[in-house]
Amino acid sequence: GIQVEQSPPDLILQEGANSTLRCNFSDSVNNLQWFHQNPWGQLINLFYIPSGTKQNGRLSATTVATERYSLLYISSSQTTDSGVYFCAVIQAGTALIFGKGTTLSVSS
Amino acid sequence: DAGVIQSPRHEVTEMGQEVTLRCKPISGHDYLFWYRQTMMRGLELLIYFNNNVPIDDSGMPEDRFSAKMPNASFSTLKIQPSEPRDSAVYFCASSPGTGAFGANVLTFGAGSRLTVL
Repeated sequence: GIQVEQSPPDLILQEGANSTLRCNFSDSVNNLQWFHQNPWGQLINLFYIPSGTKQNGRLSATTVATERYSLLYISSSQTTDSGVYFCAVIQAGTALIFGKGTTLSVSS
Repeated sequence: DAGVIQSPRHEVTEMGQEVTLRCKPISGHDYLFWYRQTMMRGLELLIYFNNNVPIDDSGMPEDRFSAKMPNASFSTLKIQPSEPRDSAVYFCASSPGTGAFGANVLTFGAGSRLTVL
């Protein structure tokens, strides 16, 4: 099956810093989503982005489908950005397959 | 909409007992998914339904696990008998299915944390 690899596995930032999270996938996909799992365990959908670039406030994401990767940018990080960020993909006829996640800790 | 509703939020039970987790998807969503999250294995798909019909149950770990969707607004995941290694957070998610964009954007419930002693 398709492999989804995220990097880095862990990231520690000071408040105000910028960061880039990466997601590589091993085959073509129909769907790619980024999720944030907050410290209370809730999974929040950040972006649906099978290709192209989207922005939502301090967060933006870019997917280059032909090269099989996606990037999530977090600018001016805040402590509330802490948690685990997951990339998940769908191939035709399947459900979302998740990567292992990037654990982000933002300190004040 | 209230989102995807799961119950119970927390369940502590003893090995050998039956466990039933419940999920109410978002109204109008055609797809329903059950995922399990553990530290060791991350987020794993267990089973998903389309229009109440199970499509892929290859992720169900053993015959002890079963899932049903008797109607569009309710699904259950049952474990019988439960074992300590079943301890995990079980998430239910729903999506509107393939629309004009071929999207399957999932919305997750808050999860049910199961502890089997």
